[in-house]
Amino acid sequence: QLQLQESGPGLVKPSETLSLTCTVAGDSITSSSYNWGWIRQPPGKGLEWIGNFYYSGSTYYNPSLKSRVTISVDTSNNQFSLKLNSVTAADTAVYYCARRGVGTSSVDYWGQGTLVTVSS
Amino acid sequence: QSALTQPASVSGSPGQSITISCTGTSSDVGAYNYVSWYQQHPGKVPKLMIFDVSKRPSGVSNRFSGSKSGNTASLTISGLQAEDEADYYCFSYTTSSTWVFGGGTKLTVL
Repeated sequence: QLQLQESGPGLVKPSETLSLTCTVAGDSITSSSYNWGWIRQPPGKGLEWIGNFYYSGSTYYNPSLKSRVTISVDTSNNQFSLKLNSVTAADTAVYYCARRGVGTSSVDYWGQGTLVTVSS
Repeated sequence: QSALTQPASVSGSPGQSITISCTGTSSDVGAYNYVSWYQQHPGKVPKLMIFDVSKRPSGVSNRFSGSKSGNTASLTISGLQAEDEADYYCFSYTTSSTWVFGGGTKLTVL
């Protein structure tokens, strides 16, 4: 059974860097069949795609966040991470890691989500 | 990139059918058959309901169907049930190799 689990600080100060890790169990993040990425949802608002990486090593980011976001991969621990710098209150959200099938629009597995609050 | 346009809310009575639209551009919805739909109940993780415009994952009721015409994708729910009350989001690939969500639609079952 595939499981994705987000981890990281639940509180980040304004102007600092938000860092989250997604640990994957039950599948390899180097699989050529899937891509892995991050999606967020501010409280009471809609979903926003942040970015994802491909097994080839390519990464793609939401243009509105591109200057502040980095997704990196730790294949030895089957994890991938999100870093978002210079955060503001607008970055307060539930952050989900998720899996999407290559060549499809199917985001079929999601983590449970983790709330990150940006506040001093 | 701008969020895809969905109606903020739709409603229907049990047993009826409703359709939720998702309007984009020729650079996203209209460009590929890579549109999916997600159902999200309050406090819950989004659930995949339709992918690649009209494909239904195993385990999803056949009351849910998807289609696309030009730059607009649609999700239809037939035989509306109380448990269908939730938020629904569309999601599309773009010509910039990025992805974009719709703003979301709140479905109320009267």
